Amino acid sequence: QQQVKQSPQSLIVQKGGISIINCAYENTAFDYFPWYQQFPGKGPALLIAIRPDVSEKKEGRFTISFNKSAKQFSLHIMDSQPGDSATYFCALAHGQNFVFGPGTRLSVLP
Amino acid sequence: ETGVTQTPRHLVMGMTNKKSLKCEQHLGHNAMYWYKQSAKKPLELMFVYSLEERVENNSVPSRFSPECPNSSHLFLHLHTLQPEDSALYLCASSVSSGGFNEQFFGPGTRLTVL
Repeated sequence: QQQVKQSPQSLIVQKGGISIINCAYENTAFDYFPWYQQFPGKGPALLIAIRPDVSEKKEGRFTISFNKSAKQFSLHIMDSQPGDSATYFCALAHGQNFVFGPGTRLSVLP
Repeated sequence: ETGVTQTPRHLVMGMTNKKSLKCEQHLGHNAMYWYKQSAKKPLELMFVYSLEERVENNSVPSRFSPECPNSSHLFLHLHTLQPEDSALYLCASSVSSGGFNEQFFGPGTRLTVL
């Protein structure tokens, strides 16, 4: 049983558009909620992370929105660019324990 | 070299072979991880080492055997693998603290078992 449900599985967005990826979880034992970005042939790399006592965190064009009561969090990519085309993973983190979502493949069309 | 490096990048092996994957981190971290990444599945945590001691083993078959000789090196020894073990094997490292321990990933070893 997946601890983290991530949607959509794939996403196609026009350049300049907004990309939105959602994650839902059940286990509340985790205290950080990161998003990782993975390009083909590379390992995942941390994009942005949020703690559950914060409802939103913004870094440049990337924003995490967190809804603790609904056990959901989402990644918004504003002004999406072709260089953002990658696979995005949400995760639940507690110390060294990470649980990753299945990933969303984002394609941004020029 | 900087970051986390993995060798080899690609490996093809038969079911009766014995091979090893190597990971090295140059970040001064004290925790290292092995993950398995299969198509359309979440990253599966296989092993965690903290201060060179194994702290997690998520019911991984014994045909996978990890080794952590020091805080900078991690190996995954493979023997009598099955075709379903074909996947991308990722190594990661982090500091070991009570806060958010960002994991830094290597590029992975693409393993194909014939």
